[in-house]
Amino acid sequence: QKEVEQDPGPLSVPEGAIVSLNCTYSNSAFQYFMWYRQYSRKGPELLMYTYSSGNKEDGRFTAQVDKSSKYISLFIRDSQPSDSATYLCAMSASGTASKLTFGTGTRLQVTL
Amino acid sequence: EAQVTQNPRYLITVTGKKLTVTCSQNMNHEYMSWYRQDPGLGLRQIYYSMNVEVTDKGDVPEGYKVSRKEKRNFPLILESPSPNQTSLYFCASRLGLVDTQYFGPGTRLTVL
Repeated sequence: QKEVEQDPGPLSVPEGAIVSLNCTYSNSAFQYFMWYRQYSRKGPELLMYTYSSGNKEDGRFTAQVDKSSKYISLFIRDSQPSDSATYLCAMSASGTASKLTFGTGTRLQVTL
Repeated sequence: EAQVTQNPRYLITVTGKKLTVTCSQNMNHEYMSWYRQDPGLGLRQIYYSMNVEVTDKGDVPEGYKVSRKEKRNFPLILESPSPNQTSLYFCASRLGLVDTQYFGPGTRLTVL
């Protein structure tokens, strides 16, 4: 079993929809949780970062962490065609924050 | 402009022929990492470095070597490449443990 599980998609939604992307994990030591966005033929770029449990909002993006369920989510409101990309979750344990473990990524397509 | 550069961007080589992929960052970051990205497996960390002369293994270090003689450079060395090392490779850097990680543009390597 992988340490981090992520539905690969693809997920196709119409413009304006609310998108929910999720990851589950098995390592209870994970404390730092991140979401990256990767456009085709590009390197990943950090979207959101959360430490421990709770919610974090940045514009149209909201990241949620539920450590009791070992479950993290990224919500995108009012989705736009420019949001079409692969979204990767990543996490690391306290004390070893240089070692990141990534999910396999979910491919999102926002259609007009 | 803050950036991580990698060279070459594309490389086709043959089994056993030693190669080096260079990585350089101009942000004075302490932390640098190498990842490989494969379909269905996502991003997996190969090696990371917390500072000059300090490196550690990630999840898939076999068949790779790294060095960190200068803060800005973190080359990835394949002493005897094999076809299972055909992949898309990313270098990344960040300032501290929980800062934004910047990824390079990627190096697509094919080993015949």
